[in-house]
Amino acid sequence: LAKTTQPISMDSYEGQEVNITCSHNNIATNDYITWYQQFPSQGPRFIIQGYKTKVTNEVASLFIPADRKSSTLSLPRVSLSDTAVYYCLVGLYNFNKFYFGSGTKLNVKP
Amino acid sequence: EAGVAQSPRYKIIEKRQSVAFWCNPISGHATLYWYQQILGQGPKLLIQFQNNGVVDDSQLPKDRFSAERLKGVDSTLKIQPAKLEDSAVYLCASSWAGTGTTNTGELFFGEGSRLTVL
Repeated sequence: LAKTTQPISMDSYEGQEVNITCSHNNIATNDYITWYQQFPSQGPRFIIQGYKTKVTNEVASLFIPADRKSSTLSLPRVSLSDTAVYYCLVGLYNFNKFYFGSGTKLNVKP
Repeated sequence: EAGVAQSPRYKIIEKRQSVAFWCNPISGHATLYWYQQILGQGPKLLIQFQNNGVVDDSQLPKDRFSAERLKGVDSTLKIQPAKLEDSAVYLCASSWAGTGTTNTGELFFGEGSRLTVL
């Protein structure tokens, strides 16, 4: 299994762009990279997924370098409501298994 | 579209007692997961079902935990007997992927069942 490493926590201010990097040195050829967001007392929620290069949706962007050994979740102009824990997953997608790491606790300040 | 339903939301029991959690996945979702989330940690996969068959239960403490998925739809997770360290939120998730397909990674989670063992 590809283990992921993320910063334990990050602080930001409203309106700033936030970049959270995840390291996954042992990622397999068929693995996709998926990010989830979790608010207190709620289950995780899917944010974005990618395989290589860049993916963008209405919520975030995901940057993946050519070697795929890391990925960066970019949240544009964060607000207080983006305060949450963000998880990076690299799963055995061919076998449909998803393991969460410890996540990054993002604290957005006014 | 209805989301993943879980019950009960909260449960308090004493150690050595038993408890059961129920999950109803999103209609049509073939894959169902049970995760355990201890306060301050990421969710830990306990068991994964594909329809009514088990795909992965490598992290399920089988001496005390059991799970079943009846007719490939609803699922029940049971703990017997409970220990203090079982205090956690038990999350159920589902995804659409069925047998022979690749799961894209979008899991839909319920709100969880919070267990406190005294």
